Amino acid sequence: KAGVTQTPRYLIKTRGQQVTLSCSPISGHRSVSWYQQTPGQGLQFLFEYFSETQRNKGNFPGRFSGRQFSNSRSEMNVSTLELGDSALYLCASIPGGQGLSGANVLTFGAGSRLTVL
Amino acid sequence: GESVGLHLPTLSVQEGDNSIINCAYSNSASDYFIWYKQESGKGPQFIIDIRSNMDKRQGQRVTVLLNKTVKHLSLQIAATQPGDSAVYFCAEMGGNNRLAFGKGNQVVVIP
Repeated sequence: KAGVTQTPRYLIKTRGQQVTLSCSPISGHRSVSWYQQTPGQGLQFLFEYFSETQRNKGNFPGRFSGRQFSNSRSEMNVSTLELGDSALYLCASIPGGQGLSGANVLTFGAGSRLTVL
Repeated sequence: GESVGLHLPTLSVQEGDNSIINCAYSNSASDYFIWYKQESGKGPQFIIDIRSNMDKRQGQRVTVLLNKTVKHLSLQIAATQPGDSAVYFCAEMGGNNRLAFGKGNQVVVIP
């Protein structure tokens, strides 16, 4: 079974641009979560999507948005990029609607490394 | 590979020794805890979890201890191997079904 796939793995943008990152969850997984990872702040929750609906949202500005498609694939978008948006963006999936548990553990992709110049 | 945590607490351990990684969590209402391992260039990988109704859980070469009184979680790795070199994160989950991660601890295994 393929794992969580994120594209692109690396990208460089300049301030003011926008970026779209893609995540394909494990086959059959319906929930996708996004996290931002930086050396200073660690792993911070961005949002979670389940059945094409945003189910949970972290404390990030409106420049950060996401969506989920009917095949459970998800994208996140960051508009008007700032230097501080440079980070590793991680996507994780779980099978379904129930909460996290031993049988329902977040599986992460390798991430998309965004550098903003 | 990528450097995930440039200023993380670092534990250097001799190959074959046991490692203990500590984590203080913040929310006394958290009822589920997970340890993740992140190697350079990879996403976090699940190691072991524990619910708040337990104080100890064992896996293969790993043991998680939970002390709810002082809100402390630890991960013990037995017979540490070079492949255990990574950043280790604890994560807690409360009622909002959202995981909150600690800042991480770097483990360096010395051959």
